[in-house]
Amino acid sequence: KQEVTQIPAALSVPEGENLVLNCSFTDSAIYNLQWFRQDPGKGLTSLLLIQSSQREQTSGRLNASLDKSSGRSTLYIAASQPGDSATYLCAVVRGGNEKLTFGTGTRLTIIP
Amino acid sequence: NAGVTQTPKFQVLKTGQSMTLQCAQDMNHNSMYWYRQDPGMGLRLIYYSASEGTTDKGEVPNGYNVSRLNKREFSLRLESAAPSQTSVYFCASSDRDRGGYTFGSGTRLTVV
Repeated sequence: KQEVTQIPAALSVPEGENLVLNCSFTDSAIYNLQWFRQDPGKGLTSLLLIQSSQREQTSGRLNASLDKSSGRSTLYIAASQPGDSATYLCAVVRGGNEKLTFGTGTRLTIIP
Repeated sequence: NAGVTQTPKFQVLKTGQSMTLQCAQDMNHNSMYWYRQDPGMGLRLIYYSASEGTTDKGEVPNGYNVSRLNKREFSLRLESAAPSQTSVYFCASSDRDRGGYTFGSGTRLTVV
């Protein structure tokens, strides 16, 4: 059974710092990996989607990498802003199976 | 481009009442899903539909039924609501080719 873990569970950093969120998964046979953010009381917003054949994806200040062999992904946020405060979730889809398995989430707080 | 639309956004039910949560997507996605999110439990899959006319159970299907009315719409029905079904419900759809998920904004359901 696929298990997805995110470390740390919570993170507070001063505004302007660069930061890295980690995601690890136990079964490397994934189809893709997706990063989401969730604001309190809101739905999930897709940030980045990495196909299994890709190593990384970038969108603005966000960069996500994928290393299938080690079962790891990282989300890099550059020059953090208070608006980045949210819970970040990674999720994987196993090859041939479209159901998402979610990670445990990292609650990020950016301190002004 | 509306994406995934869920109705209602909020609902309070009495134990034993029934209701249907509606979900529609306008992205021509084949697959649709219903998740529930509970504190400390993360997102759990209730039911999913890989294509029009098919539905399958997820992790926590007991107490729920679904209908894939057409390619756009996927409804979730609670026949006899129980307090344990108090949760936030999310509908999602995915693009089979790319695999990326899009989520609705959620329905916050309270059963008293």
